[in-house]
Amino acid sequence: LAKTTQPISMDSYEGQEVNITCSHNNIATNDYITWYQQFPSQGPRFIIQGYKTKVTNEVASLFIPADRKSSTLSLPRVSLSDTAVYYCLIDTGRRALTFGSGTRLQVQP
Amino acid sequence: EAGVTQFPSHSVIEKGQTVTLRCDPISGHDNLYWYRRVMGKEIKFLLHFVKESKQDESGMPNNRFLAERTGGTYSTLKVQPAELEDSGVYFCASSQLAGTEYQETQYFGPGTRLLVL
Repeated sequence: LAKTTQPISMDSYEGQEVNITCSHNNIATNDYITWYQQFPSQGPRFIIQGYKTKVTNEVASLFIPADRKSSTLSLPRVSLSDTAVYYCLIDTGRRALTFGSGTRLQVQP
Repeated sequence: EAGVTQFPSHSVIEKGQTVTLRCDPISGHDNLYWYRRVMGKEIKFLLHFVKESKQDESGMPNNRFLAERTGGTYSTLKVQPAELEDSGVYFCASSQLAGTEYQETQYFGPGTRLLVL
């Protein structure tokens, strides 16, 4: 099972771009990379998923290098409401999700 | 469309008592999952239903925990008898039955905060 490593916390200011990098050195060929966001007192919420190169949606972008041993979640122009915990997960095809400790992002005014 | 709902939002019970948590998935979602986060730890998978059948219950900690999903709609998770270490947040999630294993988005409820004294 691929283990993920990401920073425990990050600080940013409103309007800045935030990049959260996750390492997953032993990711398997068929695994996907998935990111969830969790606000206080809420359950996790799916943000984005990718396999390789770049994926973009209305919320974020996900950059995955060719070796797929890491991935970077990019949040453009963060606002105070983006303060949350962000989880990088490896989707192995087994339906149960495996959460790590996540990255606590604090956005300051 | 209503999201995943959980009841109660909070529960405080004494050690040895019984508590039943309820989860109502998004209508039409065949997959239903239970997770929990105990104090200071990561969110951990408990079990997975496909309709009314238990597909994977490898995360259930012990036989004090009983999950049911009669009729394939809502699910209950009963803890009997509750112990101190059962305190934490219990999340429920649901998803549609995907044709492939990947790219299945799980939608989480707000969780039930359980405190065992």
